[in-house]
Amino acid sequence: GAGVSQSPSNKVTEKGKDVELRCDPISGHTALYWYRQSLGQGLEFLIYFQGNSAPDKSGLPSDRFSAERTGGSVSTLTIQRTQQEDSAVYLCASSPRPGIQYGYTFGSGTRLTVV
Amino acid sequence: AQRVTQPEKLLSVFKGAPVELKCNYSYSGSPELFWYVQYSRQRLQLLLRHISRESIKGFTADLNKGETSFHLKKPFAQEEDSAMYYCALTAGGGFKTIFGAGTRLFVKA
Repeated sequence: GAGVSQSPSNKVTEKGKDVELRCDPISGHTALYWYRQSLGQGLEFLIYFQGNSAPDKSGLPSDRFSAERTGGSVSTLTIQRTQQEDSAVYLCASSPRPGIQYGYTFGSGTRLTVV
Repeated sequence: AQRVTQPEKLLSVFKGAPVELKCNYSYSGSPELFWYVQYSRQRLQLLLRHISRESIKGFTADLNKGETSFHLKKPFAQEEDSAMYYCALTAGGGFKTIFGAGTRLFVKA
């Protein structure tokens, strides 16, 4: 696609429910990144994909968080048993190859609210 | 450990005044530093990178390794510069980018 597409744009869920957030990167971009944007906390790195593999998962906050990428394209970030502290904007970015020197293109984000 | 510090959460200046958004970093190696900007209701986008030594929309940023800083400057602020600005660092060759907490710039008429 022309840009990085994320869905849904907004998600309200009850505490304890599972949620799936989707990212569709720019066609041909091999690298994909997930960040979490919380008020006053900046952007928190979650995970990075090169193709379908995730060399760096160090940013995932807990084992309730997981992500996968299939076909070197779409990625899904899953949060199980959501907690109120999971409320944030989840941003996805892609780049032609790994490394920010190639420039990140960000999606518009998914605003997750856990009530 | 890598760290990016933006000490100001909010910076308010008058139109036409100079503006400087501060960014300090902590990294033992050779960093790559960037400024990203997010205008109201728009996506986060790259503003400039230190390696390019460019000026974008009148903004410049100089990497000062001695002071471990990468402050963003513009001599004459415009109302359309009002946005959230994030400083970012990645290790050379690394793929994990650390962002600061951001500074909201408000340019008053």
